[in-house]
Amino acid sequence: ETGVTQTPRHLVMGMTNKKSLKCEQHLGHNAMYWYKQSAKKPLELMFVYSLEERVENNSVPSRFSPECPNSSHLFLHLHTLQPEDSALYLCASSQESLSGTYGYTFGSGTRLTVV
Amino acid sequence: GDSVTQMEGPVTLSEEAFLTINCTYTATGYPSLFWYVQYPGEGLQLLLKATKADDKGSNKGFEATYRKETTSFHLEKGSVQVSDSAVYFCALSDLGLSDAGGTSYGKLTFGQGTILTVHP
Repeated sequence: ETGVTQTPRHLVMGMTNKKSLKCEQHLGHNAMYWYKQSAKKPLELMFVYSLEERVENNSVPSRFSPECPNSSHLFLHLHTLQPEDSALYLCASSQESLSGTYGYTFGSGTRLTVV
Repeated sequence: GDSVTQMEGPVTLSEEAFLTINCTYTATGYPSLFWYVQYPGEGLQLLLKATKADDKGSNKGFEATYRKETTSFHLEKGSVQVSDSAVYFCALSDLGLSDAGGTSYGKLTFGQGTILTVHP
């Protein structure tokens, strides 16, 4: 496999469920990101991991919990979500150095519906 | 903070028409600028980029020129095809700094996206 792979592609969950989104990158990148894409709103950066450390959390509610066990894998753990959390969740990765950002690559996303 | 503003959509064109999607930005430093495209059911793909003033990015017949004086990066294509129907996102990247040891990362700031529909 190449690129950035996200699973599942589609997920329907109840407000009391617990589920996880998975992202895997096969590019050897050292940074990974979660974005939220809602209808009629700009893409929202949720979390950034650089060298497996969380470096940014953009005021995301605690019902979203990220995990980055190694440089190739990123998870987003979900619990007690609200219907307004329904969106497309996109994962991305990049190679970061002090000279710049290279190879920013997105996955195909997980379409999440909260019922 | 950084921001990107795109023209409101949706944009509907006939095949072979000329396309312009406006994009302006606000940034404190000297950002790199990007256009991403998202086809139905897929993630975002990099369409083109420009890293300094007066650079022109181009790909698949699309072009955009980095205009520092007008803080703009408008996307153009001379003759659109039905297969160009997608959502187009303008974005900028300005290096950010982590809290841990000064490692930099390139956070992308996106515009709201413009839906393009091309009819035969």
